[in-house]
Amino acid sequence: KQEVTQIPAALSVPEGENLVLNCSFTDSAIYNLQWFRQDPGKGLTSLLLIQSSQREQTSGRLNASLDKSSGRSTLYIAASQPGDSATYLCAVRLGGGSQGNLIFGKGTKLSVKP
Amino acid sequence: KAGVTQTPRYLIKTRGQQVTLSCSPISGHRSVSWYQQTPGQGLQFLFEYFSETQRNKGNFPGRFSGRQFSNSRSEMNVSTLELGDSALYLCASSPRLGGTANYGYTFGSGTRLTVV
Repeated sequence: KQEVTQIPAALSVPEGENLVLNCSFTDSAIYNLQWFRQDPGKGLTSLLLIQSSQREQTSGRLNASLDKSSGRSTLYIAASQPGDSATYLCAVRLGGGSQGNLIFGKGTKLSVKP
Repeated sequence: KAGVTQTPRYLIKTRGQQVTLSCSPISGHRSVSWYQQTPGQGLQFLFEYFSETQRNKGNFPGRFSGRQFSNSRSEMNVSTLELGDSALYLCASSPRLGGTANYGYTFGSGTRLTVV
């Protein structure tokens, strides 16, 4: 059974710092991995999606990497800002079609202090 | 382009009642999935509908059901509500069943259900 773990559960950093969020999964046979951001009481905003054949994806100050063999993904945030404060969730998909549901970690709550 | 729309945003129901939640996907998206989010269990998959048929189902009791209409809009129903059903219910849409390799899913803002 696929399990997704995110460590740490919470992280507080001063503004301007570079930081890394971690995500690990137990079964390396994934279809893709997606990082989301969730603001309090709100839905999920997709940040980056990495296909199983890819090693990394970049969008602005965000960079996500994927190492399937070790069952790990990292989300790197450069030059953090108070507006980056949110909960970050990673989710893996085991397959396409009727196997396409997402399996989520419980998230890392990030607080960026001005 | 309108996003995924969920209604209502908030609901308060009494234990034992039933509730229906609605989700309108992005125009052109034919797949709608439902997830439950609680502080203890996190986000858990409920089911996915495509072309008016349930194609995938998570590990939830039969009190949780859904349907999809010909315009791809979806409803989720929970019967005989329990206190533990209090949660944020999120729906997500995608152009294809199971998402696509490089697209994934787009989520709505959710319906906050409180059972008292």
